[in-house]
Amino acid sequence: GIQVEQSPPDLILQEGANSTLRCNFSDSVNNLQWFHQNPWGQLINLFYIPSGTKQNGRLSATTVATERYSLLYISSSQTTDSGVYFCAVARASGTYKYIFGTGTRLKVLA
Amino acid sequence: KAGVTQTPRYLIKTRGQQVTLSCSPISGHRSVSWYQQTPGQGLQFLFEYFSETQRNKGNFPGRFSGRQFSNSRSEMNVSTLELGDSALYLCASSVDRANEQFFGPGTRLTVL
Repeated sequence: GIQVEQSPPDLILQEGANSTLRCNFSDSVNNLQWFHQNPWGQLINLFYIPSGTKQNGRLSATTVATERYSLLYISSSQTTDSGVYFCAVARASGTYKYIFGTGTRLKVLA
Repeated sequence: KAGVTQTPRYLIKTRGQQVTLSCSPISGHRSVSWYQQTPGQGLQFLFEYFSETQRNKGNFPGRFSGRQFSNSRSEMNVSTLELGDSALYLCASSVDRANEQFFGPGTRLTVL
């Protein structure tokens, strides 16, 4: 099955700093989503981005499907950005299901 | 539009018991998927339902089952609970499988 690797596994930043989170996947995919899991466990949708680039405020994401990776950029980080960021991918052929990466745990210090 | 809702939010059971969790998808969404999240295994796919039919199943024992009703609401059942079933169970809905998934707040199950 598809393997999804996220890096770095842990990240500590000072408030105001920028960061880049990476998601590599081992096979071609049709869907890719980025999520932020808050301390209560809720997965918040950040981007639905099978390919291309999207921006939403201080966050942006780029997926290069042909090279099998996606990047999530966080600019001017805030303490409320703390939490775990997950990448999830799915392929339309065969057994269709979302495969989650192991996540990047981000802590933003005031 | 209301989001995905899950009930109950917290549950404590003892080994050997069974449990039923409920998920109400976003209005108009017909695909409902279930995931288990544990510290050791991460987020793992359990199964997916669409129009009352299970379309896809993850690698879990037969003690884990589910169903979907005509209004797209879904339930999952775990029988003969084991300590290792303690986890956060997340439900997600989408228009169809190839669309963006939206998650509910989860049900945190503790098995004693």
